[in-house]
Amino acid sequence: QSALTQPASVSGSPGQSITISCTGTSSDVGNYNYVSWYQQYPGKAPKLMIYDVSNRPSGVSNRFSGSKSGNTASLTISGLQAEDEADYYCTSYTSTSTLGVFGGGTKLTVL
Amino acid sequence: EVQMVESGGGSVQPGGSLRLSCAASGFTLSSYWMHWVRQAPGKGLVWVARINGGGSSTTYADPVKGRFTISRDNAKNTLYLQMSSLRTEDTAVYYCARGGGYSYDPMEYWGQGTLVTVSS
Repeated sequence: QSALTQPASVSGSPGQSITISCTGTSSDVGNYNYVSWYQQYPGKAPKLMIYDVSNRPSGVSNRFSGSKSGNTASLTISGLQAEDEADYYCTSYTSTSTLGVFGGGTKLTVL
Repeated sequence: EVQMVESGGGSVQPGGSLRLSCAASGFTLSSYWMHWVRQAPGKGLVWVARINGGGSSTTYADPVKGRFTISRDNAKNTLYLQMSSLRTEDTAVYYCARGGGYSYDPMEYWGQGTLVTVSS
């Protein structure tokens, strides 16, 4: 299965906003609104942060938001906090496989 | 409270077998798609397999097809992953995750993971 493309790392200072991109194709991100984002701390299980492109599960801070344009989905974190430092993964439904696909992950560093 | 606890991980030689279990509580397993996702040391997340609520539909990643079998016992509220012909590249933390009523629903709840090490 092909993977979605994410930047290996992004960084930002407390209070700033950052955006993590997730680039796919018309077989996944471009034509389906089933994009999710997960946050993972080292040694811990992933946590769902965004689903269906832009929806937040109950309990997730509204500093986290999702969007999509063409074949690229994005996760934006506003008002960056030290606790946001983690790895972030995107996933999408894909028509080319019976399983979904994950992005390679992005390490967010809060400076 | 939704909770999932994996067990069954450990060390095994190449060619060996292991069965992972994921005991679920706080919800009725039969109502949800369930998934196994793995993460090799220092690497990203990779889907391994998924199964529908009734157990009649299963899907596997290409690297594990024919070697791994996902199953569920809804009466015991437990998900399984039978792994055979294990290879060194199967070394990873294996997570079970709860999906939704559809195969493409997000994985909202995850277990803590169980480590599988395949080494001679």
